[in-house]
Amino acid sequence: AQSVTQPDIHITVSEGASLELRCNYSYGATPYLFWYVQSPGQGLQLLLKYFSGDTLVQGIKGFEAEFKRSQSSFNLRKPSVHWSDAAEYFCAVALSGGYNKLIFGAGTRLAVHP
Amino acid sequence: DGGITQSPKYLFRKEGQNVTLSCEQNLNHDAMYWYRQDPGQGLRLIYYSQIVNDFQKGDIAEGYSVSREKKESFPLTVTSAQKNPTAFYLCASSIPGGHLGPQHFGDGTRLSIL
Repeated sequence: AQSVTQPDIHITVSEGASLELRCNYSYGATPYLFWYVQSPGQGLQLLLKYFSGDTLVQGIKGFEAEFKRSQSSFNLRKPSVHWSDAAEYFCAVALSGGYNKLIFGAGTRLAVHP
Repeated sequence: DGGITQSPKYLFRKEGQNVTLSCEQNLNHDAMYWYRQDPGQGLRLIYYSQIVNDFQKGDIAEGYSVSREKKESFPLTVTSAQKNPTAFYLCASSIPGGHLGPQHFGDGTRLSIL
């Protein structure tokens, strides 16, 4: 069965430090991959997506992610974290088959120390 | 500006009562979705609709019902058969296409039991 794993439930970084959030997926075909961010009590905002082509994708708010097929991973990175980046981050994979269905990871909550 | 409006933001349900959560979008999207979010579990799909007058069950449809009489609207009813309804409910919409996934989310409705 398809699944998405985010190994880190909670991560704390200092403001200005670099960030990498991990995401691993289990899916037989080439996946469509997404990262979303959720502020407390809010909906989800799309950060970036990977469909095909260049395996390094750029998103909003200075985030990027790299698709590594050999590792079944799609890790999210940011070179320098800002206090406003504190939120929960969700990785998701879209299944093919003529309809839109996303499988979400359990999320990683990011805290930023000043 | 286009977007998704969910109402109410907070909702309380008494035992044995049905409650309906509203979701309206003005993005002209054909596809709409309802997700349930519980702490530490990411998002789980309740129902989705690809087109007016058509909808399908997601992974956790038991105890829920939906209708799709208009393109803009996709209300979710939490019935008395749903024994553990306390959660954060998110509505989303997208254009159809298996690789695009839901890209626009509302700000959610938090449902609690009285």
